[in-house]
Amino acid sequence: DTEVTQTPKHLVMGMTNKKSLKCEQHMGHRAMYWYKQKAKKPPELMFVYSYEKLSINESVPSRFSPECPNSSLLNLHLHALQPEDSALYLCASSQDTQINYGYTFGSGTRLTVV
Amino acid sequence: AQTVTQSQPEMSVQEAETVTLSCTYDTSESNYYLFWYKQPPSRQMILVIRQEAYKQQNATENRFSVNFQKAAKSFSLKISDSQLGDTAMYFCAFMRGGATNKLIFGTGTLLAVQP
Repeated sequence: DTEVTQTPKHLVMGMTNKKSLKCEQHMGHRAMYWYKQKAKKPPELMFVYSYEKLSINESVPSRFSPECPNSSLLNLHLHALQPEDSALYLCASSQDTQINYGYTFGSGTRLTVV
Repeated sequence: AQTVTQSQPEMSVQEAETVTLSCTYDTSESNYYLFWYKQPPSRQMILVIRQEAYKQQNATENRFSVNFQKAAKSFSLKISDSQLGDTAMYFCAFMRGGATNKLIFGTGTLLAVQP
């Protein structure tokens, strides 16, 4: 299995809703990442997990809450989002943060906040 | 801080022809890695090619090759024999070597391959 699987592919949520994005990989990778991508822009790093521990938080608002329950799974919990949070959320993984072969990305979750 | 610049927002090429996408970067690091990623309409970012800064030899992957000019901090991507499936957004990316690496992306070049 050489894939990163993200669910759901599309999500529409209201500003008072709570939802979660899920990311899964079975490649034995020990580093996982959340990126946010606005239309026609490059991805921007949000969080890095290394060996299930949060190692980087790029000053992301607390309405985004990451969680890494095990080495294969990464969640992003969403609460009280704003319309400007609408974007493509990409998950990625790599062998670990010290091996620089690049990331394997998922296909993303297209989030719309209404 | 590292920055990555792609000066061509959009490019177009005829099928079967060759096209070169430009990328420059700025860093004071000596140990780093450079990447080209492709993002087709399907949205998934796909690694096209990777280059270690300490290697002088330019990386190649089938129809894709790079021209890595370390002194000039330039890292261009050449696509030979362009195919319709090459139509995508192409991002150049930089990664510092060592612990807690993170990818820093350029602004992207939208490549359209015309039949």
